[in-house]
Amino acid sequence: LAKTTQPISMDSYEGQEVNITCSHNNIATNDYITWYQQFPSQGPRFIIQGYKTKVTNEVASLFIPADRKSSTLSLPRVSLSDTAVYYCLVGGSNYQLIWGAGTKLIIKP
Amino acid sequence: EAGVAQSPRYKIIEKRQSVAFWCNPISGHATLYWYQQILGQGPKLLIQFQNNGVVDDSQLPKDRFSAERLKGVDSTLKIQPAKLEDSAVYLCASSPGPPSTDTQYFGPGTRLTVL
Repeated sequence: LAKTTQPISMDSYEGQEVNITCSHNNIATNDYITWYQQFPSQGPRFIIQGYKTKVTNEVASLFIPADRKSSTLSLPRVSLSDTAVYYCLVGGSNYQLIWGAGTKLIIKP
Repeated sequence: EAGVAQSPRYKIIEKRQSVAFWCNPISGHATLYWYQQILGQGPKLLIQFQNNGVVDDSQLPKDRFSAERLKGVDSTLKIQPAKLEDSAVYLCASSPGPPSTDTQYFGPGTRLTVL
């Protein structure tokens, strides 16, 4: 069963690029990697999903190395409103969905 | 497009009492999920439905938790009897496509406090 590990917290400043890495050593062949953002008193919100290499959308990029044992969420030019908890999710095989404990990102002015 | 609706938003009960949560997914979404999120932790999947059938309930404590999704739309999650450690936010999510791989859309959650 895949287990995900992410840093508990990170700080950065407005306008900077932020990279959050998730480790998932036991990822299965059919598992996808998905990242969600959660604000206090709200449900998580989808950011980006990938299987391998690099995926980019209008808000983030996701980098996945060839061995797929880790993934890095990249947020370009963060703002104060990006302060939130970010979760890495590995799942797909046999209906298993494994969430990380979350990374609390604090953006400072 | 209306999002996932959940009710109630907050519930306080005493241990050994029963409680039920309701979820209305996004219209047309085939898959529905229930999660438990304890303060400071990531969501823990309890059960997944595809239409009105259960595809995975391996992490549902079946001695006290039950869930159903009648007619493949709304769903209810019940706890009977509640324990102190059940205090958490219960999140419902839905997705249009297959379980476990598709983007999930979450409701605001129900915060349960067991005294």
